[in-house]
Amino acid sequence: QQKVQQSPESLTVSEGAMASLNCTFSDGTSNNFRWYRQHSAKGLEVLVSIFSDGEKEEGRFTAHLNRANLHVSLHIREPQPSDSAVYLCAVRGENSGTYQRFGTGTKLQVVP
Amino acid sequence: AQTIHQWPVAEIKAVGSPLSLGCTIKGKSSPNLYWYWQATGGTLQQLFYSITVGQVESVVQLNLSASRPKDDQFILSTEKLLLSHSGFYLCAWSLGASAETLYFGSGTRLTVL
Repeated sequence: QQKVQQSPESLTVSEGAMASLNCTFSDGTSNNFRWYRQHSAKGLEVLVSIFSDGEKEEGRFTAHLNRANLHVSLHIREPQPSDSAVYLCAVRGENSGTYQRFGTGTKLQVVP
Repeated sequence: AQTIHQWPVAEIKAVGSPLSLGCTIKGKSSPNLYWYWQATGGTLQQLFYSITVGQVESVVQLNLSASRPKDDQFILSTEKLLLSHSGFYLCAWSLGASAETLYFGSGTRLTVL
């Protein structure tokens, strides 16, 4: 069964500094990765999707995927206090159909 | 523009009582629909998904059931709540099985006492 782990559990960064979040997965056939964020017990919003090794940028959010290392990361450029939220990665295995497994989440706090 | 509406926003219920949570999607025909559950401090777990009216697949049951009575409506229910049902329930939709970006509702906070 796919395992998706995120690190760190929590992260505090200063406004304007780069924030980097990590996600590791166990199923090497996984081919579909997304980063979502969740503000304080609200619904999730998708930030960036990535399907092949390399980098994908959406505004201030950049995802890096290295499937050989079973790792996908999210980098937030110039984070603002409004970016404070829980960030979740979601991974779909090749044979998972519609099923995406979510990671444990990283709670990001951006301080002025 | 597509909108997704969940109701109620929050519920406090007694153990053993029935439950019905609802979700309506407007502006999108024949979406894939999903129910997710998030225990306090836990990970987000997919419970059910539906590709079409009247069809629901269970992923993790948790003594809950789901139905899709209309193209734009998804219902989560149980006849007898357990303490373990407490948590945050999220409804989501996607365009189809091959395009899995999920668009979430704002959730229902359920407390079972």
